[in-house]
Amino acid sequence: GEDVEQSLFLSVREGDSSVINCTYTDSSSTYLYWYKQEPGAGLQLLTYIFSNMDMKQDQRLTVLLNKKDKHLSLRIADTQTGDSAIYFCAEDFGNEKLTFGTGTRLTIIP
Amino acid sequence: GAVVSQHPSRVICKSGTSVKIECRSLDFQATTMFWYRQFPKQSLMLMATSNEGSKATYEQGVEKDKFLINHASLTLSTLTVTSAHPEDSSFYICSASTGASSTDTQYFGPGTRLTVL
Repeated sequence: GEDVEQSLFLSVREGDSSVINCTYTDSSSTYLYWYKQEPGAGLQLLTYIFSNMDMKQDQRLTVLLNKKDKHLSLRIADTQTGDSAIYFCAEDFGNEKLTFGTGTRLTIIP
Repeated sequence: GAVVSQHPSRVICKSGTSVKIECRSLDFQATTMFWYRQFPKQSLMLMATSNEGSKATYEQGVEKDKFLINHASLTLSTLTVTSAHPEDSSFYICSASTGASSTDTQYFGPGTRLTVL
């Protein structure tokens, strides 16, 4: 079955880049998503990448997809205190089924 | 790892009827379950937080009389969409946690597609 894994915690100094990683087992997904969740809120869709792409950049966010290694990453440049949140990766298999990772808690160190 | 299931995976109903969606934690006891609603390729809006044995806490703008949530046991929460209308058509996702808040580790169900005709 599908399995999506993420490290639970990441601490980064303000101004540095944050790299949040995600590995998955089922490579038949159509899209891969990155969501941001702040305390008590829903999941905000940050960005997504089509499964036949290797990279997508959107302002401070860079998504890298390595299909061979089944590895997805989200890089946040110039990390700010407002970036503190839980980040979820998710696979969309195109059949209206989403598989989420357990989320990475990003803490910003002043 | 922890597994959360949802049933049904998709449902089509007529306008005015009620639909019940189940969320189950299969191999752990969930103190808290969350219900989200997603629109295509968009964010997941948190609808409500439910704790076993107590009333659900609804987010602002979510009608509690329309979206009835029952968390009868530590492994089951249900969302009933009452008097469904076409605008209720959406993808509903639940998550379950052993903690009390969304900052604790959440395990997501696969989602339920509701289509109201």
